[in-house]
Amino acid sequence: GEEVAQTPKHLVRGEGQKAKLYCAPIKGHSYVFWYQQVLKNEFKFLISFQNENVFDETGMPKERFSAKCLPNSPCSLEIQATKLEDSAVYFCASSQQWTENTEAFFGQGTRLTVV
Amino acid sequence: DAKTTQPTSMDCAEGRAANLPCNHSTISGNEYVYWYRQIHSQGPQYIIHGLKNNETNEMASLIITEDRKSSTLILPHATLRDTAVYYCIVRVAGGGGNKLTFGTGTQLKVEL
Repeated sequence: GEEVAQTPKHLVRGEGQKAKLYCAPIKGHSYVFWYQQVLKNEFKFLISFQNENVFDETGMPKERFSAKCLPNSPCSLEIQATKLEDSAVYFCASSQQWTENTEAFFGQGTRLTVV
Repeated sequence: DAKTTQPTSMDCAEGRAANLPCNHSTISGNEYVYWYRQIHSQGPQYIIHGLKNNETNEMASLIITEDRKSSTLILPHATLRDTAVYYCIVRVAGGGGNKLTFGTGTQLKVEL
């Protein structure tokens, strides 16, 4: 597609439940990035992929969070045993290449509310 | 990535130019300056980027000082729809840095 598609737009989970978010990058884009926006204006980088390989996972919480990008499938971000503090908007971005001279395109986000 | 400093907020009258400053005094010679904006709670939108020359596209102009320690994003004729948080980001070259690092940005409010 011509835009990054994130589903669902909204997700409500009870504490302790699992949450799974999906991201379909723009067709032909090899790089996928996940960000978490908890408070307005504050973005936290989580993880990035080059095709199905992890590119950078330095922002990924060690526990409960996992992500994958498999061929011919949307990428996914999964949170096991959600906590109240996981409530945030999760943004996915994709890029055709990743050099100093290329931009990333963002999806509209998934708003996760943990109650 | 080099740290950036931006004013917390700015106001601009509709139809006037909006000039958004960004300080990046620790920028290295191979680092690019990128600008993104976030309108309301939508996903960040790419605006423009540059290394050392001034750049212009259909959305905005980017003016980078000769010493590259600061830059200004210019929206030539701001409209109400330009109300957003604007982020100035410095990206390392050589592999592109593995991610975009967002600061706290400038909340631009365009008013009638």
